[in-house]
Amino acid sequence: DAGITQSPRHKVTETGTPVTLRCHQTENHRYMYWYRQDPGHGLRLIHYSYGVKDTDKGEVSDGYSVSRSKTEDFLLTLESATSSQTSVYFCAIKLVNTIYFGEGSWLTVV
Amino acid sequence: KNQVEQSPQSLIILEGKNCTLQCNYTVSPFSNLRWYKQDTGRGPVSLTIMTFSENTKSNGRYTATLDADTKQSSLHITASQLSDSASYICVVSRDYNNDMRFGAGTRLTVKP
Repeated sequence: DAGITQSPRHKVTETGTPVTLRCHQTENHRYMYWYRQDPGHGLRLIHYSYGVKDTDKGEVSDGYSVSRSKTEDFLLTLESATSSQTSVYFCAIKLVNTIYFGEGSWLTVV
Repeated sequence: KNQVEQSPQSLIILEGKNCTLQCNYTVSPFSNLRWYKQDTGRGPVSLTIMTFSENTKSNGRYTATLDADTKQSSLHITASQLSDSASYICVVSRDYNNDMRFGAGTRLTVKP
């Protein structure tokens, strides 16, 4: 699992509330990624980070923000959750030329 | 448009049989192509990675092929096992990992 831990693993929240998902890694990998996975779609990149305080937008970044204040943690924040953000969120890291994924965070916005 | 299309969407086979999954892509420029296996409720796990110059790569009972001219890849599973039941995802990178395009996956079910 390349030392990736996501939390929470499952969350139900109400529309309009803020939500933060945490990705923690233990091996000082430089590159970290947040993806969402929805039925009928491939994994889609939300944001990625290439170092502390260095982040960039992905394909579906609207409605999401990220922060990386230390190497081991990459946070994904939904400032005001909407039902369209109900999804499974995967954190990933890059090791050499392989991408390793975490176990996922299931988010339901009601 | 940089797309990755996988077929079939789903497949059911009997244990012990072989199968082949397809991936067609329009992603350009091409850097590499990966196949991932994703068990239900888990994150994807890498099976193979191929660059432009590689046309075949094996990982146990899994063999991936790549035809960069026709922009097609296949994943062949030999002597399937119940544990092969999973989604198989094709991923094509445009540059060094930061622009990866994912197919929607093929859901494989292996029945006894």
